[in-house]
Amino acid sequence: DAKTTQPPSMDCAEGRAANLPCNHSTISGNEYVYWYRQIHSQGPQYIIHGLKNNETNEMASLIITEDRKSSTLILPHATLRDTAVYYCIVKSYGQNFVFGPGTRLSVLP
Amino acid sequence: DGGITQSPKYLFRKEGQNVTLSCEQNLNHDAMYWYRQDPGQGLRLIYYSQIVNDFQKGDIAEGYSVSREKKESFPLTVTSAQKNPTAFYLCASSIRGGSLNTEAFFGQGTRLTVV
Repeated sequence: DAKTTQPPSMDCAEGRAANLPCNHSTISGNEYVYWYRQIHSQGPQYIIHGLKNNETNEMASLIITEDRKSSTLILPHATLRDTAVYYCIVKSYGQNFVFGPGTRLSVLP
Repeated sequence: DGGITQSPKYLFRKEGQNVTLSCEQNLNHDAMYWYRQDPGQGLRLIYYSQIVNDFQKGDIAEGYSVSREKKESFPLTVTSAQKNPTAFYLCASSIRGGSLNTEAFFGQGTRLTVV
């Protein structure tokens, strides 16, 4: 079973920041938080992952709360091409990636 | 280009026929995975392999079979025993299976339709 909870859908205006929340209240100390996205009819694309520190790369920023019970993926300037389903995944040692239903982000012109 | 290649992109088969989906990677990854996705749903794990000549069942292995004779290849056979085979099939790989700090990379998927 997925260990995360995400809103089923969100809208964001083009050019604005998209903030996608994820709740993982049962996360353990050695579990990482991963984010993937899936554009319609394509394979999931890796975005970013982190343990406890905030992370940033060319695609997005990941903000993890101090208690690690929740995180937020930030797309700083959303474009229409960012419309996709976004998956937040908590991964344990020895286990595989478990994908829940994710959040369907619609970027609106 | 480095990456994961799934072929074909679209596949049609008659009911009762076995069909094999191809997955090849040139990333030198040890671990490979097969997932199934139904419309509007998340991904479900069918089989995975952490090393050559070894593989494990995932959550929905019934009606499927795999082999891992080469590091770069992990074909999936959808057998006639699979009751509802029409779905989107995704292959993935990662440097090491089960590790914490290792992302998985996905192919572009094969959409199988059984008529």
